[in-house]
Amino acid sequence: EDKVVQSPLSLVVHEGDTVTLNCSYEVTNFRSLLWYKQEKKAPTFLFMLTSSGIEKKSGRLSSILDKKELFSILNITATQTGDSAVYLCAPNYGGSQGNLIFGKGTKLSVKP
Amino acid sequence: NAGVTQTPKFRVLKTGQSMTLLCAQDMNHEYMYWYRQDPGMGLRLIHYSVGEGTTAKGEVPDGYNVSRLKKQNFLLGLESAAPSQTSVYFCASSYSPYRGKDEKLFFGSGTQLSVL
Repeated sequence: EDKVVQSPLSLVVHEGDTVTLNCSYEVTNFRSLLWYKQEKKAPTFLFMLTSSGIEKKSGRLSSILDKKELFSILNITATQTGDSAVYLCAPNYGGSQGNLIFGKGTKLSVKP
Repeated sequence: NAGVTQTPKFRVLKTGQSMTLLCAQDMNHEYMYWYRQDPGMGLRLIHYSVGEGTTAKGEVPDGYNVSRLKKQNFLLGLESAAPSQTSVYFCASSYSPYRGKDEKLFFGSGTQLSVL
């Protein structure tokens, strides 16, 4: 059975801290892994990872994939209150059609 | 750019009532999806479509029906609503991952549905 486990489920930090969010997965026909940020409403896209060991960066956020150990991490440096959100990890398991399976998310709260 | 538009944004139903949620996308995406999101459960796929006139079941399809008569629209129907269907519903769309294009999902803003 395909599954995705994110950890921690919730995290409270202070502005300026650095956080690491984890995503481990077991899926057949792995194609890619996507990270989303969800604030009040719709999830918004952060990264798509397809190759091991290649870091993707966007400002203070970065992410990397390890296809051998089946996990990905999302790092946020110098956190700000605007980073408070639920972060979702979603591997694409391809199969016959191509779909994402979402983890339950990590709820990050950044306090001033 | 409108992107993915869902209507309505909020709805309250009584048990046994029916309703249809409408999703429209203007990005010419082949794939469209309906998810539900419940506290502590993450996003779960209800139904999806890989093209006009096609639909397929996802992880939690029971109690829902869908139709995709036009490429840009994907409808989610509840024939006889139950309290267990109280949730936030998200529509999403993407290019086909098999056409060499970016396969990321674009989400609508969600529909908060309460069934009493």
